Formats: sequence, C-alpha cells, structure tokens
Amino acid sequence: DAKTTQPTSMDCAEGRAANLPCNHSTISGNEYVYWYRQIHSQGPQYIIHGLKNNETNEMASLIITEDRKSSTLILPHATLRDTAVYYCIVRVATGTASKLTFGTGTRLQVTL
Amino acid sequence: NAGVTQTPKFQVLKTGQSMTLQCAQDMNHNSMYWYRQDPGMGLRLIYYSASEGTTDKGEVPNGYNVSRLNKREFSLRLESAAPSQTSVYFCASRVGGRDTDTQYFGPGTRLTVL
Repeated sequence: DAKTTQPTSMDCAEGRAANLPCNHSTISGNEYVYWYRQIHSQGPQYIIHGLKNNETNEMASLIITEDRKSSTLILPHATLRDTAVYYCIVRVATGTASKLTFGTGTRLQVTL
Repeated sequence: NAGVTQTPKFQVLKTGQSMTLQCAQDMNHNSMYWYRQDPGMGLRLIYYSASEGTTDKGEVPNGYNVSRLNKREFSLRLESAAPSQTSVYFCASRVGGRDTDTQYFGPGTRLTVL
C-alpha cells in the first residue's frame, strides 16, 4: 500500500470549513483513498473514500487531484464534535480480507 | 442493529493472568479484525479473520490467540498477560468488495496489566 503523509495537527474555527490534506505521491492506479477519524477514546469511524473522482457524502467531501498524488478531506461546517484524529489511508480494495495501516494521522482541533 | 459490540469495556489484570476479549457483529460481514492502540499511537493489527473458519496473523500477534467462533463472533485471548499488553483493543468488521473496503469498529476494551 502507498505511504501517506499528513500534518501532525491543525486548528479550525467552529462553523468554518476544515480542509485536511494528505500526500500519497506513490499511489498506484488501483488504490483507493480512504479517510477515517477517531474521536477521543472511541473506535475509528469511516468517513469517505474515492478512487479518482471527487466524492461527497453527508459527513464530508473528498477532493483528489488529477494526478492522484494528493487529496483533501473537507468538513464543510466544522463543529466541536469534529475534534478528532483524522487518518488518510491508501489501499487496494480486494475481495478478500484486507488490512488497514493506520499512521499517526492529523489531530484536528475545532475551537469556538 | 448494534453494529460491532465488545465486552468487557474495561479490565484490569495481574501479570500472568489470562482473559478473553469478546467481539460480535450483526452486519453479516465476512471479515473481522483485532487491533491494539497504545497511547498516542496509531492502530496496529493483531489478527484478522477473512471468513468463518480462517484466521491470520497481523503485525503484532505475539502473546495473543484468536477464535472465529462463527460468522458473528471473533474472540481474542491473552494466555499469560504482560504489562506490555496494556492497551486499548478494538475489534472491527469489514464490508468488502470491488469498490469498497470499509471497516466498522467497536467501542474498544481498555486493558491494564499490572
């Protein structure tokens, strides 16, 4: 699986958009970009994933650059409850059991 | 639909004691996983089960055993607990397929080994 690089921490004011970057310059053509988050003391939570097109769901938007070497997770209106560690993971979706490799992620602090 | 459930939520053991962490999912997923998370660290895979009747080692399997009891349940056993196994343990199950590889996590078991 391709290696990812994320900033260690970021701050965002409540109500503003939070833009979390991820670099994955060695991504292969068949690898997806996944985002999970972990709110303090809870299990990780799936947010969104994509291959090459931009994706949006009720939680967030995922913007993937045309060369697929980087992506940005956007929380359009961050709230205090979005304070969490956000993990960007790149991997191939397979039919058999897969293993997610969690790095250290980006700690997002949403403030008043 | 409870998703992934884990028991117990908290446990304190003495060195050398044994215990089994229980995990169950009601989403009819084939694959299940056990991770551990040490303070300030990311998750590390201990064992996983691709389907009922199969188990495989992950990154850090030493000191652990697993049983895939049936499609719903996947247990993790510590035969002789050590202080280095103090951690938070998460179970997960997976929706897999051609275009998705999403894992759903339980709330975790916080284990302290004295």
